[in-house]
Amino acid sequence: QQQVKQSPQSLIVQKGGISIINCAYENTAFDYFPWYQQFPGKGPALLIAIRPDVSEKKEGRFTISFNKSAKQFSLHIMDSQPGDSATYFCAASKTDSWGKLQFGAGTQVVVTP
Amino acid sequence: DAGVTQSPTHLIKTRGQQVTLRCSPISGHKSVSWYQQVLGQGPQFIFQYYEKEERGRGNFPDRFSARQFPNYSSELNVNALLLGDSALYLCASSSGGYTQYFGPGTRLTVL
Repeated sequence: QQQVKQSPQSLIVQKGGISIINCAYENTAFDYFPWYQQFPGKGPALLIAIRPDVSEKKEGRFTISFNKSAKQFSLHIMDSQPGDSATYFCAASKTDSWGKLQFGAGTQVVVTP
Repeated sequence: DAGVTQSPTHLIKTRGQQVTLRCSPISGHKSVSWYQQVLGQGPQFIFQYYEKEERGRGNFPDRFSARQFPNYSSELNVNALLLGDSALYLCASSSGGYTQYFGPGTRLTVL
């Protein structure tokens, strides 16, 4: 039973375009929502994270939008670059199990020159 | 500063064998979590250890076990290996809050 559902599975975007990845969750106890970037053969690297008391968080070209009532959150990558080509994972965790991240299935992003 | 380190990088085993994977957390971090990542999927939580105590266990069989040492490094053991255990095994460390930092992983291939 997947607690975090991620879409799309893959995404192709032109250089300079916007990449948008969506995630949905069911467990309302989740209170921490990070996004990770993973390159082939490497471990996931934390990009940005948000708590449910904030509707949007921006760090550089990366923005998380959070909709608590819809139980959805998304990652926007502005001005996408070829170096952004990677697999992106959303995840969620909750206070009583803060060391346990529930991951989405991942989105493979390809940025074309 | 050194990040999370894992050893070995790659490992090839045959069915039925046992394997031990090692993880050293970021200096000062007392929590280590282990994840299994099958090719093309998101990481799946296996264990968390905090201050040398098991704090969480995922939906994995008893063939999987782990421990944490006084210096907060950790080992993951898998007995009676199956073909389906082939995966990237990731270790993540945390200072005690939500933020987890992942190591590069150990690629285990079971033949």
